[in-house]
Amino acid sequence: GENVEQHPSTLSVQEGDSAVIKCTYSDSASNYFPWYKQELGKRPQLIIDIRSNVGEKKDQRIAVTLNKTAKHFSLHITETQPEDSAVYFCAFRGGGSNYKLTFGKGTLLTVNP
Amino acid sequence: NAGVTQTPKFQVLKTGQSMTLQCAQDMNHNSMYWYRQDPGMGLRLIYYSASEGTTDKGEVPNGYNVSRLNKREFSLRLESAAPSQTSVYFCASSGDVGSSGYTFGSGTRLTVV
Repeated sequence: GENVEQHPSTLSVQEGDSAVIKCTYSDSASNYFPWYKQELGKRPQLIIDIRSNVGEKKDQRIAVTLNKTAKHFSLHITETQPEDSAVYFCAFRGGGSNYKLTFGKGTLLTVNP
Repeated sequence: NAGVTQTPKFQVLKTGQSMTLQCAQDMNHNSMYWYRQDPGMGLRLIYYSASEGTTDKGEVPNGYNVSRLNKREFSLRLESAAPSQTSVYFCASSGDVGSSGYTFGSGTRLTVV
């Protein structure tokens, strides 16, 4: 079945450092790769996404890169701030006609002041 | 716009009791989903509805049923609750494949004792 492996499961950085989270997916026909941020007790919220015809996308301090050959994609957060502390989930949409997403198990990012 | 509205926010059930979780969206989205979130397990798909009138099983459908009442509403029913169904449940919706991913509801924290 479809699955995605997300690493690391926990990540602790100092404020101002960069953080990188990586996901590897199984379905080579996958075409859409979003990242969600979930603060404690809140709902997941989309922070950035990338489609299969693009290799990199950037939005201020956040960027996502996609390597379709290796079937992995990564989230990069630069100049981290304490408010970046949250659980981050990668996801992918497999090939086919339905729109469901398969999620990774999440990465708990802690940014220490 | 309210987005995706879930009710209730919290619920405690006794083993064997039944209940229905309600979800409604006002974004004219075609697809709706129910996920459960457990510590260390990420978000796992229970059931989804790609369009009004259709429903399909996800990764963990056992013990649940769903109804796509109309385009706006998608309910999740537990017929005979078990402690293993203690979890946080999220409803989500999405538009067509070219749109920007899921919008999540605020979640239902369910405890089965």
